[in-house]
Amino acid sequence: NAGVTQTPKFQVLKTGQSMTLQCAQDMNHEYMSWYRQDPGMGLRLIHYSVGAGITDQGEVPNGYNVSRSTTEDFPLRLLSAAPSQTSVYFCASSRLQGPEAFFGQGTRLTVV
Amino acid sequence: AQTVTQSQPEMSVQEAETVTLSCTYDTSENNYYLFWYKQPPSRQMILVIRQEAYKQQNATENRFSVNFQKAAKSFSLKISDSQLGDTAMYFCAFMRGQGAQKLVFGQGTRLTINP
Repeated sequence: NAGVTQTPKFQVLKTGQSMTLQCAQDMNHEYMSWYRQDPGMGLRLIHYSVGAGITDQGEVPNGYNVSRSTTEDFPLRLLSAAPSQTSVYFCASSRLQGPEAFFGQGTRLTVV
Repeated sequence: AQTVTQSQPEMSVQEAETVTLSCTYDTSENNYYLFWYKQPPSRQMILVIRQEAYKQQNATENRFSVNFQKAAKSFSLKISDSQLGDTAMYFCAFMRGQGAQKLVFGQGTRLTINP
C-alpha cells in the first residue's frame, strides 16, 4: 500500500529554472493539496483540489501552478524558480469528508 | 481566517518525564477538528492524535493525551513517560468541519528527549 508518493525527494534548481514536483496517491481520495514548510512558519497551503478538473488557491499560491487531470495525480509546477521558493514541500490527500490527511514524504527544494 | 499559535519553539526534557506542548487557536467556527502531528528527522508527517470539537471528552492515544479547552481555544498535548523516539517537531493543526479539508498549522515545537 503506497499511500501518497512524492518525487523527487531532493532537488537543486538554479534561479529561473522550471520544474514539476510529482504527487500520486492510490487511496482514491478526492481531496489533494500542496503545502510548503519553512522554519518558524509551520506548513502553509499552496494549492488544493477537491477532484479531477477542480483546483483552487491556498494561502501562498504565487509562483506555483497546479492541475488535476486524474484522481490519482496532483503535480505542482514552479514556472521560474526563485530563492524564496527554497523550502520543503509536502503533498497530502484525504477523503472529501475527511478528516484524516495522509502526507507524502516531502521534497526538499533548494533554489540557488 | 483561522490561526494556530504554538508559543514554545523548543522544549527539552529527560527520558521518562512528562511534557506538555501548548497550542492556541482562533476561529469563529463551531464545527472543527484539531490535530497534533509529529515530524521526526525522517521528515515524515505522522498523525499523533485528533480531537473533534463537538466531543467534550479529551482524546487519548496510549501515552499521548490532549487537554481541549473549547471556550479558551486551547489544545495542549501531554506526552507521558517520554521516550527517545518522541524527539521530533510537533505541529498543532486546525481543520474546519465542513468544506475543503484545508489544514492550518502552528509554527511547530521542537521537542528533544534527553537520555
